[in-house]
Amino acid sequence: RKEVEQDPGPFNVPEGATVAFNCTYSNSASQSFFWYRQDCRKEPKLLMSVYSSGNEDGRFTAQLNRASQYISLLIRDSKLSDSATYLCVVNPPSSSASKIIFGSGTRLSIRP
Amino acid sequence: EPEVTQTPSHQVTQMGQEVILRCVPISNHLYFYWYRQILGQKVEFLVSFYNNEISEKSEIFDDQFSVERPDGSNFTLKIRSTKLEDSAMYFCASSEGLARDYGYTFGSGTRLTVV
Repeated sequence: RKEVEQDPGPFNVPEGATVAFNCTYSNSASQSFFWYRQDCRKEPKLLMSVYSSGNEDGRFTAQLNRASQYISLLIRDSKLSDSATYLCVVNPPSSSASKIIFGSGTRLSIRP
Repeated sequence: EPEVTQTPSHQVTQMGQEVILRCVPISNHLYFYWYRQILGQKVEFLVSFYNNEISEKSEIFDDQFSVERPDGSNFTLKIRSTKLEDSAMYFCASSEGLARDYGYTFGSGTRLTVV
């Protein structure tokens, strides 16, 4: 089983739509979770951390379900500028506790 | 906003040659990393560096790879004898503390092409 697994998409939705991505992780002892966004041929950028209680940042809501080992990201009222690849990222238990592991990403395309 | 700076943005090298990729992390960050992304594939961990030594490395990071922090600001990745399969985007990143508490800030990457 992959350490971090995501639906690759692509998701193609109209502007203003709500879209949700899920991600599963294999190591139940993983400690921290993040969503990053990556534009084509650019570096990953931190979108938000994911907390057990769920958290919201404007139009973005992240949820963590430790029992089922999945993480979700909800984007409301999507904008053209939201078109990107969304990377699910996990901090697994490791010797250094400093490593993060990336999923393969889910491509999102917002159409006018 | 503070940023991680990488040079060069693109490097073309012949197979078997040595390359050095350079990074200037954010000044108050303590943890440094190299990741790579082969075109069309996921971002893969190579190595983490803390307190002037490697704290963790992946299977990819074999004897052909080395990292160094030669002075107070630069953080370099050296590939001793490049192979065609080393062609990828190499990202440097830094963080203020442990990954579980902080996200990373990535540089804009060096695209390495081995011919």
